Amino acid sequence: QQPVQSPQAVILREGEDAVINCSSSKALYSVHWYRQKHGEAPVFLMILLKGGEQKGHEKISASFNEKKQQSSLYLTASQLSYSGTYFCGAHLGSGGSNYKLTFGKGTLLTVNP
Amino acid sequence: EAEVAQSPRYKITEKSQAVAFWCDPISGHATLYWYRQILGQGPELLVQFQDESVVDDSQLPKDRFSAERLKGVDSTLKIQPAELGDSAMYLCASSRIAGAYNEQFFGPGTRLTVL
Repeated sequence: QQPVQSPQAVILREGEDAVINCSSSKALYSVHWYRQKHGEAPVFLMILLKGGEQKGHEKISASFNEKKQQSSLYLTASQLSYSGTYFCGAHLGSGGSNYKLTFGKGTLLTVNP
Repeated sequence: EAEVAQSPRYKITEKSQAVAFWCDPISGHATLYWYRQILGQGPELLVQFQDESVVDDSQLPKDRFSAERLKGVDSTLKIQPAELGDSAMYLCASSRIAGAYNEQFFGPGTRLTVL
């Protein structure tokens, strides 16, 4: 089951904030966030685990709501370099050795001067 | 900084032809993934290797796709015969081990166009 991302697209002016959400109908074990610029490979941003552990870049913040089966990525004081498509990858279920990410369709973020 | 290498970067082929993509993961990474990404969509896992063993190929169209990682290092993904619907970006990724706390590092991808 593919996680659902919202919004599908957002346009900001430099310095503005944005929130990108990733929701699942199945229990989330962990969520990975990646950013992909046009024509480039996805780049890792953050991992959030059920239970509260986090791992990622200092300037990126995110949350994991176990009750809502949702993760949110917070982009504050946006810069032009933040532009790109943001994907969440969900690890569904209880974890295990055959770790597999199911990615959402992405959120296109455009930051204008 | 270590990177995942992929080649070729671009491939144009005619339908019914065979194509092959190569991936060299970051040194020491035991887990290797092949993804297909259709324009406007997120990556979709095709096959996952742990060392040289396949641990998930449930989404791999096995009638035409094959993947191998013979020595547990680099990997090849093959399509034979290619179909029009195979046009997509094929991404390779690796991680130190498979696990919820281990990020995946993606290569630059191979853009396949089937005519």
